[in-house]
Amino acid sequence: EAGVAQSPRYKIIEKRQSVAFWCNPISGHATLYWYQQILGQGPKLLIQFQNNGVVDDSQLPKDRFSAERLKGVDSTLKIQPAKLEDSAVYLCASSHGTGASWVRAFFGQGTRLTVV
Amino acid sequence: DQQVKQNSPSLSVQEGRISILNCDYTNSMFDYFLWYKKYPAEGPTFLISISSIKDKNEDGRFTVFLNKSAKHLSLHIVPSQPGDSAVYFCAASGVGNYGGSQGNLIFGKGTKLSVKP
Repeated sequence: EAGVAQSPRYKIIEKRQSVAFWCNPISGHATLYWYQQILGQGPKLLIQFQNNGVVDDSQLPKDRFSAERLKGVDSTLKIQPAKLEDSAVYLCASSHGTGASWVRAFFGQGTRLTVV
Repeated sequence: DQQVKQNSPSLSVQEGRISILNCDYTNSMFDYFLWYKKYPAEGPTFLISISSIKDKNEDGRFTVFLNKSAKHLSLHIVPSQPGDSAVYFCAASGVGNYGGSQGNLIFGKGTKLSVKP
């Protein structure tokens, strides 16, 4: 079974520039998550999709972050304009769906973003 | 307001001995708990989970214990091996109305385990 694919692996941009990350979840997984992991912290949910609908985006800084899930499969996360504090690893994860044993999420390798 | 807490940033254990990683939570509506393991430059990988209707779940060398009254869970690794050296994250989720979306994992800050040969 292929895992969650993310690209790029690394990205360095200047503040105020824009950046986009791409994620391809495990085939058949209805739920897709974007997490932000700042150095020394645990992953924090930014947005959760169920198929192509948004379930939770309460922690997404909507003035600069946006995300979409095309046709309920691939997803992109965009930051525009980037700030220094956006430097983090952005993790995409997917799971079968909701419900007790279905919350087991499979994570991609992440994109390490450095804003200078 | 941290709902999932891992109070030990690091733990060092001798190979062959037991590793015990601890996790506390504050939201009594959490009903599913997971442990993830993370190596540098990789995403977290699922290790073991436990439902709130159980107090113990075992998978090979890994056992998770849940004490709901104390809102505490622990991961035991016996025997510890050098390949177990990684950061371990405790995560919690709820399937009902617990203040978050269904399926949303809330993570602790992680504990870095070092197993010395």
